[in-house]
Amino acid sequence: DAGVTQSPTHLIKTRGQQVTLRCSPKSGHDTVSWYQQALGQGPQFIFQYYEEEERQRGNFPDRFSGHQFPNYSSELNVNALLLGDSALYLCASSKTSGRSYNEQFFGPGTRLTVL
Amino acid sequence: AQRVTQPEKLLSVFKGAPVELKCNYSYSGSPELFWYVQYSRQRLQLLLRHISRESIKGFTADLNKGETSFHLKKPFAQEEDSAMYYCALSGRNTGFQKLVFGTGTRLLVSP
Repeated sequence: DAGVTQSPTHLIKTRGQQVTLRCSPKSGHDTVSWYQQALGQGPQFIFQYYEEEERQRGNFPDRFSGHQFPNYSSELNVNALLLGDSALYLCASSKTSGRSYNEQFFGPGTRLTVL
Repeated sequence: AQRVTQPEKLLSVFKGAPVELKCNYSYSGSPELFWYVQYSRQRLQLLLRHISRESIKGFTADLNKGETSFHLKKPFAQEEDSAMYYCALSGRNTGFQKLVFGTGTRLLVSP
């Protein structure tokens, strides 16, 4: 099992463009969370998908949207890119099982640079 | 609001010295606290969580609800401990699967 995989590794876009980042969860996991990590900061929760629906959302504008597919993989879309969207985007997967925390396994991240 | 504070951006120690990475949190209720670690060129990974009460790689962390702290400690630092350390919390108020991270502390262990 390769664990959580993300593509692409790096991406350069210009302001106003749109971007799609992809994530494949660890085998056996059904929940995918996305985090944004700006330089010098800790990861910030964007949203989480379970059973192909957004289950929880952090304090991010509607320009950030996502999707989960039947095979549990996920996409993060960002529209109308701003310079401030430049960051490392982390995907994390877990196996949902009730009302306690289940360990999230992180991918290597996608480095997005907006010029 | 739920918040995690790591006051030190960088902690530099010599091999064999004791280490304490500080973490304070703000949360209404009973959070779950975690330490995540990121070694050079590796992905973020869970080091330990308070409910397991175990020692991982010689590190321990005790949840102090009175002081709202969850400091990470190791009695004798090793060079391979050099990494970025993040304290994080989750709980009913945040949604159990949502992690709230601190800004991280870089630990540098010199020979």
